[in-house]
Amino acid sequence: GAVVSQHPSRVICKSGTSVKIECRSLDFQATTMFWYRQFPKQSLMLMATSNEGSKATYEQGVEKDKFLINHASLTLSTLTVTSAHPEDSSFYICSARYGSVRETQYFGPGTRLLVL
Amino acid sequence: GQNIDQPTEMTATEGAIVQINCTYQTSGFNGLFWYQQHAGEAPTFLSYNVLDGLEEKGRFSSFLSRSKGYSYLLLKELQMKDSASYLCAFMDSNYQLIWGAGTKLIIKP
Repeated sequence: GAVVSQHPSRVICKSGTSVKIECRSLDFQATTMFWYRQFPKQSLMLMATSNEGSKATYEQGVEKDKFLINHASLTLSTLTVTSAHPEDSSFYICSARYGSVRETQYFGPGTRLLVL
Repeated sequence: GQNIDQPTEMTATEGAIVQINCTYQTSGFNGLFWYQQHAGEAPTFLSYNVLDGLEEKGRFSSFLSRSKGYSYLLLKELQMKDSASYLCAFMDSNYQLIWGAGTKLIIKP
């Protein structure tokens, strides 16, 4: 149980384009989903937390107009990187949690974004 | 303030035992997690400790001392597939995970 999928697994795009990444909880209803970014050899950096049906809470320094998050249902959250630039190239990972805040987060497989 | 620290890299031999330490400082604490992350992949959950003591799960065990702000992950009977980064993270008073930078474990034959 507790499987989280992410799509696409890898994307290459031109600078200035927008990229949408989907995160799905396959066998449970995720009350909360998290979006992380990880640069090479660095730790996970939380970008935003989203609860189904409400606006995402962004971490300090993360531009909400650039990284659009939609948590449309209890099993789907999307992250759209708008007008992507080469510095946005990174490993984007979502995680999902069900139940109380003490519950474990389960991670998706990640999306590797390369902006040329 | 809050901080969390773990060694950057460790090397061990196949079949041996290795202990990866993690120290943290925080005013609010709601448990400590260990995750395993293979290169190019997302983290996978290993353990969660909220009370002091040792939790054993197969070849992996995790220990917590809240008074010392200290945890360790113990890996026994090391296998080559255990080569990965091991991330510790504590959950703060806002139930947010604060992540360490990860310990890269290299297993040698």
